[in-house]
Amino acid sequence: QKEVEQNSGPLSVPEGAIASLNCTYSDRGSQSFFWYRQYSGKSPELIMFIYSNGDKEDGRFTAQLNKASQYVSLLIRDSQPSDSATYLCAPMTGANSKLTFGKGITLSVRP
Amino acid sequence: ETGVTQSPTHLIKTRGQQVTLRCSSQSGHNTVSWYQQALGQGPQFIFQYYREEENGRGNFPPRFSGLQFPNYSSELNVNALELDDSALYLCASSQKGLAFGEQFFGPGTRLTVL
Repeated sequence: QKEVEQNSGPLSVPEGAIASLNCTYSDRGSQSFFWYRQYSGKSPELIMFIYSNGDKEDGRFTAQLNKASQYVSLLIRDSQPSDSATYLCAPMTGANSKLTFGKGITLSVRP
Repeated sequence: ETGVTQSPTHLIKTRGQQVTLRCSSQSGHNTVSWYQQALGQGPQFIFQYYREEENGRGNFPPRFSGLQFPNYSSELNVNALELDDSALYLCASSQKGLAFGEQFFGPGTRLTVL
């Protein structure tokens, strides 16, 4: 079983729709969970993180965490073409706060 | 506030050579983590440096080594380069002791091994 799995992509949504990006993880010791956005040819950019079960909202983005199900998701409301990128899920574990990344899911927002 | 910087931007080496990549952490940050990102994959943790010592290592061979300097900047050294070492190398800086230890990435160094 892979440590971090992100649902298969690519994902394509029309402009203005809600994009739902899902991620499951295997390490129950994971304490906090980070979402990064990576544009083609660029480095990952931190969008938001979550550490408690439930929802956390930041503008058009909502992160959801269910530790019992080992599941974390990112919702993007009112999707814009500029949201087209690869989204990386990364649980943080260990004393060294290591990030373990999924393969990422590519989102395409159609104008 | 100065962000994370990396040098060089691009690098081409041949098999068997050695390479040194450099990273300057964001101001106020004392920890640097290095990641390797192969094409189409997520970043993979190489190691982390804190207080000038290695503070955790991923599944990478000893030919991957690093340093951290008193100003918190860091180097990644790779000896005996192999073709599979071709990747984007990312450093991320963070402040250990900060509640959630968010890591912020530099622009990366694209290494091509021929």
